[in-house]
Amino acid sequence: GAVVSQHPSWVICKSGTSVKIECRSLDFQATTMFWYRQFPKQSLMLMATSNEGSKATYEQGVEKDKFLINHASLTLSTLTVTSAHPEDSSFYICSARGPSTGELFFGEGSRLTVL
Amino acid sequence: GQNIDQPTEMTATEGAIVQINCTYQTSGFNGLFWYQQHAGEAPTFLSYNVLDGLEEKGRFSSFLSRSKGYSYLLLKELQMKDSASYLCAVRGIYNQGGKLIFGQGTELSVKP
Repeated sequence: GAVVSQHPSWVICKSGTSVKIECRSLDFQATTMFWYRQFPKQSLMLMATSNEGSKATYEQGVEKDKFLINHASLTLSTLTVTSAHPEDSSFYICSARGPSTGELFFGEGSRLTVL
Repeated sequence: GQNIDQPTEMTATEGAIVQINCTYQTSGFNGLFWYQQHAGEAPTFLSYNVLDGLEEKGRFSSFLSRSKGYSYLLLKELQMKDSASYLCAVRGIYNQGGKLIFGQGTELSVKP
């Protein structure tokens, strides 16, 4: 199957700093990637749809100025959590639509802890 | 809007069969997916249904009825490693971005 790589896997930062998470499709081109957030024992909540070469589409209630998404190439999307606060601590997972059935392939996830 | 419901948790015995149900109400439908997620890991793809009927893949089968807004995931010959969260997800139509919306997940515990 298609491979999606996400980096970093773990990140701990101080409150007020910014954190960038990268999502790469390794063996296919992904014009669309999706960013999800998952709190403990809860399901995946879609944050935004990242479109190559254009602005991301954010879900209702997600602050676009706080969660900056850049999809500069067909294989890379980045999520930057700006001025992170403890309530932003979560598991962030990116995904890309595969080339055949359109199933989503997920990255390994990034666990963010804001102190 | 979209609403996806599945049981919060289920328990089953090793070697048994378990069925996890999912009902959905969506404004647009372009496929239903089942994913498995172990704690602390990303979800892994299990199955995909876009037409009515049963799709079988080894120990896992998935069923879809679009008219009823209903799907189930059937796991046979349960193994301890099947203990995980099982996520039902519905894909919207492409002019809505084709995004996947997930249900809250069913935590399955397999006991000896």
